[in-house]
This record gives sequence, structure tokens and C-alpha cells, in this order.
Amino acid sequence: EDQVTQSPEALRLQEGESSSLNCSYTVSGLRGLFWYRQDPGKGPEFLFTLYSAGEEKEKERLKATLTKKESFLHITAPKPEDSATYLCAVRLTGNQFYFGTGTSLTVIP
Amino acid sequence: DTEVTQTPKHLVMGMTNKKSLKCEQHMGHRAMYWYKQKAKKPPELMFVYSYEKLSINESVPSRFSPECPNSSLLNLHLHALQPEDSALYLCASGAGIMNTGELFFGEGSRLTVL
Repeated sequence: EDQVTQSPEALRLQEGESSSLNCSYTVSGLRGLFWYRQDPGKGPEFLFTLYSAGEEKEKERLKATLTKKESFLHITAPKPEDSATYLCAVRLTGNQFYFGTGTSLTVIP
Repeated sequence: DTEVTQTPKHLVMGMTNKKSLKCEQHMGHRAMYWYKQKAKKPPELMFVYSYEKLSINESVPSRFSPECPNSSLLNLHLHALQPEDSALYLCASGAGIMNTGELFFGEGSRLTVL
């Protein structure tokens, strides 16, 4: 059975305290792994796409990496405005696009 | 312009009502998606349309009826819903050749069933 699990479920960081979020997946026919950010009451906002093990993408304080079984979202020196829920998602063959369980990040000033 | 527009933003309906949620995109995407999201949970896939044909139905109850009138529009018809169907309903469209890219999401329609 296809599974996408994120950890931790919730994370509180002091401003400037770097950390990593994990997305572990067990799926058949992976055609891409995606990271999204979601603010309360809003739709998910696209951050990164990763297609191959070893691939890395970077944007401002965020860096996403991919291995054969998991992906990490590294947050360097976070700011309070980085507080949000971070979702990873997998695209499978046949148009399926499933989300992981999410990590709620709070950055304290 | 990467925008997916959903209407209405908020909807309150009784269990005997019939209502519809609407979604529109003008990015030329040929795949469109409906998701349901409960509080503090990730979005759950409901339906996928590809080239205006229903390609995925994730065993959604028949009280939810999707429709794709053309490549830019997606509707979700609601009938005889239950209070537990109250949620944020998200529409998305798919980018990339052969729909291999990311999904772009609307802001959602917040549905309350009384």
C-alpha cells in the first residue's frame, strides 16, 4: 500500500534555529516528489519538485533533497513568517497525487 | 498567471439542499483535481479529470458528483450531504507535459453542512 509519512508532526523553533523536516514514502511508480507550504485557511502553495534521488532544490531559506526512500526540507535560520504547515506530496503513474501527513512549523521570535 | 479560482469561498447548506462548487483555471492545464481537507489534516484526493474525462474517483460517496464542462472549468455538485462532509474543498490543476509537474491550488471553498 502506498504511504507517505512526515515527521515530526509539529515543530517549534526559535528564530534562527535551523532544522529539517522529513518525508518518508513507500509507493509504486513514483513520478515526482513535491513540497508545498500551506497557511491556515488557504490552498497549498508550491515550493519544490524533485524527480531523482540525489536531486536538490533551493529557495531562500529552504532546501529540499531526495533519496530513494525519503525527502528532507531543510530550513536555515528560519523567521516567524516561515511558520506554516509543510506538506510533501507524491505523484504516481496515472495522475494520482497524494499528500503526506504534514508538519506544522512554528517559528518563535 | 498561475491562478485557480474557486467559488464560493464559503457555503452553508442543509442536509437536503443541492449546491455546487465551481473552479476555473486559464493556464491551459488539462488535468484538474478535487481534494477534501478537514481541520489539521492533509488534503485527501477525491477526483481527477484528465482531458475532460474522469480518470480517478477515490471511492467518493455518490452525494458528491463532479463535472468537467470544458478544459477550464470543474464543478462539484453536492446533494444530501452529511455534517461530517463539512470541510475545505480544494481544486487544483496540473502542469507539465503529460501532467508530470506540480499542481496549482485554489484558495478553497469552506463548506459547512448543518
